Amino acid sequence: EVQLLESGGDLVQPGGSLRLSCAASGFTFDNYGIGWVRQAPGKGLEWVSFISGSGSSTDYSDSVKGRFIISRDNSKHTLYLTMNSLKPEDTAVYYCAKDAPAGVGGFDYWGQGAQVTVSS
Amino acid sequence: ETVMTQSPATLSVSPGDRATLSCRASRPINNYLAWYQQKPGQSPRLLISGVSTRATGVPARFSGSGSGTEFTLTISSLQSEDFAVYYCQQYSNWPLTFGGGTKVEIK
Repeated sequence: EVQLLESGGDLVQPGGSLRLSCAASGFTFDNYGIGWVRQAPGKGLEWVSFISGSGSSTDYSDSVKGRFIISRDNSKHTLYLTMNSLKPEDTAVYYCAKDAPAGVGGFDYWGQGAQVTVSS
Repeated sequence: ETVMTQSPATLSVSPGDRATLSCRASRPINNYLAWYQQKPGQSPRLLISGVSTRATGVPARFSGSGSGTEFTLTISSLQSEDFAVYYCQQYSNWPLTFGGGTKVEIK
């Protein structure tokens, strides 16, 4: 059974930093890209970042580029999102989501989410 | 950026009725379109990818159609568990983008 479990969410002051983790199981971890998608309170889904299965390729939304870093440790089956220079508008539930198999498309499994609140 | 626009924002439907949700892309997306369902307090669930291919375990009452820039999700006969918010997403171009969602509520 595929499982994605986020951790590391917290209340942080503006300008602060935080690192989210996403522990994966139930699939061949390094065969799949994984993304981070966030959802602000009462709002829709916003893609944040993506990393390929090998970790060699990454991409970011303009809203977080230069502040967030996505990485993965394939030996630990874990994905990370290091968030720096946090702003109140980064407040959201952050989901990690597994890329579907080639030829399918979309994110086929999602974690339960980690709450990040940026406030003084 | 490819902007995804969903309509309507809210759809009021009676159980057993058909629901038709629309999604428009600001440019062609080569049929790289997915639909997700999200219930309150839950994570999104992949329903459909590649415009019309249902994900594993998704009931046949959910169907997707369209091409180019215009896409539709149809729920043929709404069940109580189908009342939720539905999002479309394109994965043709970076950045990946989602529509704003359609809330399907009980009429």
